[in-house]
Amino acid sequence: DAMVIQNPRYQVTQFGKPVTLSCSQTLNHNVMYWYQQKSSQAPKLLFHYYDKDFNNEADTPDNFQSRRPNTSFCFLDIRSPGLGDAAMYLCATSRDVAIQETQYFGPGTRLLVL
Amino acid sequence: AQSVTQLGSHVSVSEGALVLLRCNYSSSVPPYLFWYVQYPNQGLQLLLKYTSAATLVKGINGFEAEFKKSETSFHLTKPSAHMSDAAEYFCAVTPYSSASKIIFGSGTRLSIRP
Repeated sequence: DAMVIQNPRYQVTQFGKPVTLSCSQTLNHNVMYWYQQKSSQAPKLLFHYYDKDFNNEADTPDNFQSRRPNTSFCFLDIRSPGLGDAAMYLCATSRDVAIQETQYFGPGTRLLVL
Repeated sequence: AQSVTQLGSHVSVSEGALVLLRCNYSSSVPPYLFWYVQYPNQGLQLLLKYTSAATLVKGINGFEAEFKKSETSFHLTKPSAHMSDAAEYFCAVTPYSSASKIIFGSGTRLSIRP
């Protein structure tokens, strides 16, 4: 089945130690998104790629970076994780950025910062 | 700016009872509206979406939602709750100003009593 895959499902890192979260998709979608979801809150968009074009949200901290080496993969890099970065990180894809397009979400990676 | 408001952060119903989750939107133009469901430690799954075709939208798992322009509402209903419906439900809107972005409501946690 075509899907959005996130690895690992759970990630533990230390305060200040760089960490990378991975997302892959078999849908061949043009757009990939990263969301941060803190406990009992709605997901918050960090950034998205339309093909190779990177689009950062205005309020996304510089500590968060992303890479998309090819259509299938997208990575979220947290350069110096703080305790406040502990959250669920959700990857999503969509075929295009048209307003009616559905976003398909992966299962998420829960990040714990010690 | 377009936004959605979900009334009630927690709703509890008995198994077999009607489920009603409330969502009101704020938009000066006809919006594109979505309901997503999130099961514990999972990503988000699209339940249904309104794209200005029929005002009554049927989704998966027996859920449906009715777009009421006069009330600026898009409430989610299901005639008979199942234990498996226990989850977090998010109403969302895609703003015309940024077609790639989903703005989520704060979420409603649905609990089902045996």
